[in-house]
Amino acid sequence: DIQMTQSPSYVSASVGDRVTITCRASQDISNWLAWYQQKPGKAPKFLIYSASSLQSGVPSRFSGSGSGTDFTLTISSLQPEDFATYYCQKANSFPFTFGPGTKVDIK
Amino acid sequence: QLVESGGGLVQPGGSLRLSCAASGFSFNSYWMHWVRQTPGKGLVWVSRISLDGATTNYADSVKGRFTISRDNAKKMLYLQMNSLRAEDTALYYCVRDMSVLEWSYGMDVWGQGTMVTVSS
Repeated sequence: DIQMTQSPSYVSASVGDRVTITCRASQDISNWLAWYQQKPGKAPKFLIYSASSLQSGVPSRFSGSGSGTDFTLTISSLQPEDFATYYCQKANSFPFTFGPGTKVDIK
Repeated sequence: QLVESGGGLVQPGGSLRLSCAASGFSFNSYWMHWVRQTPGKGLVWVSRISLDGATTNYADSVKGRFTISRDNAKKMLYLQMNSLRAEDTALYYCVRDMSVLEWSYGMDVWGQGTMVTVSS
């Protein structure tokens, strides 16, 4: 099975900062990658599909890029509501493996 | 909207059936998943079912013990969990796949989850 890793596992940032999270797949998954945001006590929220397509209603400060094995999620200007944990996920076919998550915390 | 129910405390080796009521969308037009999350830990995909229920997929960790099913007339998704283990303890989410096709682009609608605790 394809394994997903994320780095860093934790990032401390300030409002207005540009934040980049990396996700790596153990094999080529083309652009079959999704990103989610989860706040404490809440269900995950779907942000991005096909590595770079923004889900409807997601602010444009979020962007995704990459293909093959290396992907990034970028928040161009961090807002207070963006402090959360972010997960990448292999899409297309099962098993739909999630990355371990990256927690974005307030500096 | 997706609303899960059926969670609770069960002894190791026991069984539990989770239910998920869907509303506000054409339930029979979407693949559906169960995803679980141990408190304080990450997300783990558990199982998926096709539009008509004919195709099901499972994570290796639950294969042979869990069964996913659906009733499109009632707009309900189910997860029958047998031979439960301590490591099955988690919050179980009912989730809609954004794709109506077999290849998944991601999971766009999530319930709030129902907690399953396996302990003696």
